[in-house]
Amino acid sequence: DQQVKQNSPSLSVQEGRISILNCDYTNSMFDYFLWYKKYPAEGPTFLISISSIKDKNEDGRFTVFLNKSAKHLSLHIVPSQPGDSAVYFCAASETGRRALTFGSGTRLQVQP
Amino acid sequence: NAGVMQNPRHLVRRRGQEARLRCSPMKGHSHVYWYRQLPEEGLKFMVYLQKENIIDESGMPKERFSAEFPKEGPSILRIQQVVRGDSAAYFCASSPPVGGSNQPQHFGDGTRLSIL
Repeated sequence: DQQVKQNSPSLSVQEGRISILNCDYTNSMFDYFLWYKKYPAEGPTFLISISSIKDKNEDGRFTVFLNKSAKHLSLHIVPSQPGDSAVYFCAASETGRRALTFGSGTRLQVQP
Repeated sequence: NAGVMQNPRHLVRRRGQEARLRCSPMKGHSHVYWYRQLPEEGLKFMVYLQKENIIDESGMPKERFSAEFPKEGPSILRIQQVVRGDSAAYFCASSPPVGGSNQPQHFGDGTRLSIL
């Protein structure tokens, strides 16, 4: 049972445009959500997070939106750069627990 | 390098041998987590430890796998009598002791375990 789903295995965008990565979850106990970026042969790198008491968090070119009623979150990257090309993972944790549940990832390709 | 350090980066074992994976958390971090990633999948939580204590081992297989985080030294993930299905990338993460459960975890570059 996949509690965190990233339904798009891949996404291709042009440099300078907006990248939108989506994530859906089923567990209503999740209250903390994170996005990680991963390059081949490296570990995941933390990008941005959001608590369930918020609906938006912004950090430079990265913005995460949370829609609790739809159990949906998205990561916006604007403007996209070729160095953003990587696999992006959505992750979530339940109230009072630290274990992260990850989605299966979306491979982003930013074309120069 | 103040990041999470894992070694070895690559480990090859034959079926039936033991595998030991090591993780040193970031400086100042006292919480350690182990995750496993199979090819083309996301990371799966295995265990969460603090110094000398296992806090959450809900993701650990019941047999052959064990983890520790001693008072001195790195955290160790130990797999006894390895089988082909243990082949995966094993990632360690750490987080600071303050801030409650809403703290991002910072990951090492993983150990790639291959079973012959």
